Amino acid sequence: DTEVTQTPKHLVMGMTNKKSLKCEQHMGHRAMYWYKQKAKKPPELMFVYSYEKLSINESVPSRFSPECPNSSLLNLHLHALQPEDSALYLCASSLRPGAASPLHFGNGTRLTVT
Amino acid sequence: EDQVTQSPEALRLQEGESSSLNCSYTVSGLRGLFWYRQDPGKGPEFLFTLYSAGEEKEKERLKATLTKKESFLHITAPKPEDSATYLCAVQAEASGSRLTFGEGTQLTVNP
Repeated sequence: DTEVTQTPKHLVMGMTNKKSLKCEQHMGHRAMYWYKQKAKKPPELMFVYSYEKLSINESVPSRFSPECPNSSLLNLHLHALQPEDSALYLCASSLRPGAASPLHFGNGTRLTVT
Repeated sequence: EDQVTQSPEALRLQEGESSSLNCSYTVSGLRGLFWYRQDPGKGPEFLFTLYSAGEEKEKERLKATLTKKESFLHITAPKPEDSATYLCAVQAEASGSRLTFGEGTQLTVNP
């Protein structure tokens, strides 16, 4: 079991649907991340929240909308996705933004866009 | 631009056959180098952080070492449950919270 919890584990959605991915951590970490991972590839950074404020957006399409309601929660809102967006979406957290502290990952949401 | 290259891409070992995985990196000012293990369908699991050349960390059958240009993950007497993809990532001083990942080494340990 990891200390970063992601729900749901699996999600199938059509291209016109709206859905949300959720992530929760209770380690007191103040940096939270969304990564996308395709099969046999390393994780690819999407967004970083530092002290609940969006600090990095890696030019992600607007059909992905992140939200950080408080220091323990991170959401990723999905709308009008494309089949190529199918991937494993990973949430991670680390102790302090910018510090050389390790990322702790959740087990991800496996997203399939039909 | 920061770069991380892992080798080999895939490695098959017999149980008990020790070996090493390599992570070569180019970074302008290393803040930290991280090793992760990832099982299929799961998120990466943190193993080690190394901060400066000469540093070594150990955990069970794994030992990570660091030089100014590369890191090794030594696996001593591996077991089938060590089978996984091992990822190396670097954080540069100028990159803030960004990590640069290598492509990973897929390790299979046969009984």
